[in-house]
Amino acid sequence: QVQLVESGGGLVKPGGSLRLSCAASGFTFSDYYMSWIRQAPGKGLEWVSYISSSGSNKHYADSVKGRITISRDNAKNSLYLQMNSLRAEDTAVYYCARWGATMWAYFEYWGQGTLVTVSS
Amino acid sequence: EIVMTQSPATLSVSPGERATLSCRASQSVSSYLAWYQQKPGQAPRLLIYGASTRATGIPARFSGSGSGTEFTLTISSLQSEDFAVYYCQQYNNWPPLTFGGGTKVEIK
Repeated sequence: QVQLVESGGGLVKPGGSLRLSCAASGFTFSDYYMSWIRQAPGKGLEWVSYISSSGSNKHYADSVKGRITISRDNAKNSLYLQMNSLRAEDTAVYYCARWGATMWAYFEYWGQGTLVTVSS
Repeated sequence: EIVMTQSPATLSVSPGERATLSCRASQSVSSYLAWYQQKPGQAPRLLIYGASTRATGIPARFSGSGSGTEFTLTISSLQSEDFAVYYCQQYNNWPPLTFGGGTKVEIK
């Protein structure tokens, strides 16, 4: 069965950095686009970034552009999110999610999420 | 950016009753609309994609309809496990991929 397991969240000071990971299993990882989606405490869902199956195409939400980098290692079945210059408003649960088949941009499978807290 | 607006923000329904949730797009998204269910402390779960196609394992009491800018998620007979927050998401015009603000379905 499809499994997505995030890790790497934690408490970080404003201006700090963090690298999130998402380990994928149960499907051919290199065939699928992937995304990171976040949810601030008590708030709704916000798409953060996506990466194509090969890793050649990437896009970011305006709210994180220039501070966050998405990447993947298809040999390791892993997705990453490098987060720099973190702000209080980046505090959220971060989910990795697999797109639907044939590049349809809905989120068919989600991980359980990892909490990032930005606070001094 | 396409803005997705969901209504109502909260819907109070008795078990066994029908629930109708609305989602409106600021411009046409054709049928590229998905619905998700999220329970407290859990990740969202895909219910519907393509506006009306149920995802794998989703019960038939969940149905989606609409196209263009107006969409509806209907839960025909609410079960106890259906009380949750529901989000719509468009994937016609991206980036960015955008979600609605959610509708909380609570027990009346």
